[in-house]
Amino acid sequence: GENVEQHPSTLSVQEGDSAVIKCTYSDSASNYFPWYKQELGKRPQLIIDIRSNVGEKKDQRIAVTLNKTAKHFSLHITETQPEDSAVYFCAAPTSGSARQLTFGSGTQLTVLP
Amino acid sequence: DAEITQSPRHKITETGRQVTLACHQTWNHNNMFWYRQDLGHGLRLIHYSYGVQDTNKGEVSDGYSVSRSNTEDLPLTLESAASSQTSVYFCASSGSRTGYRNEQFFGPGTRLTVL
Repeated sequence: GENVEQHPSTLSVQEGDSAVIKCTYSDSASNYFPWYKQELGKRPQLIIDIRSNVGEKKDQRIAVTLNKTAKHFSLHITETQPEDSAVYFCAAPTSGSARQLTFGSGTQLTVLP
Repeated sequence: DAEITQSPRHKITETGRQVTLACHQTWNHNNMFWYRQDLGHGLRLIHYSYGVQDTNKGEVSDGYSVSRSNTEDLPLTLESAASSQTSVYFCASSGSRTGYRNEQFFGPGTRLTVL
């Protein structure tokens, strides 16, 4: 099945700096890559996703880039703010099933004031 | 507004007891999922369903079962609770209304403690 590796597991940045989280996947047929944000004690919520027919997608301070050749995708957060502190999960379709997602193990992002 | 709910939000039970966690969504989504979340492991799939009367095992299904008798509900049953099943459980659903068939919407979670 699909294998999704996520790095780093923890990340601390100063407020205003950028943060980058990277994920690799194993199934070259995967075509949809979402990112979820989970604040402490809350449910995971989709913040951005990208389809395999584009290389980059932006939404205000967040962006996702995709390199299909290398089979990796990244989340970029610019001008980080304290409210960006959360756990971030990447995901990819589970091999053989477009309706299932395999999640990465998560990155705890801490934005220091 | 359409939503997905879980009950109870917190549950403490004893080893060996049967426990059922409820999940209810009002999006009319065909696809429903149960995950458990443990530190360092992210979200691991327990069971999933693509429609009424359809249920399938996920990555960590041992000791769990589900049933799907209608579109809205996918209850998760722990047949004989074990301490290793202490975790936070999330239900999720997805469907075609969003335009992205894979996008999953999560419930608020149930924190289960097995003593």
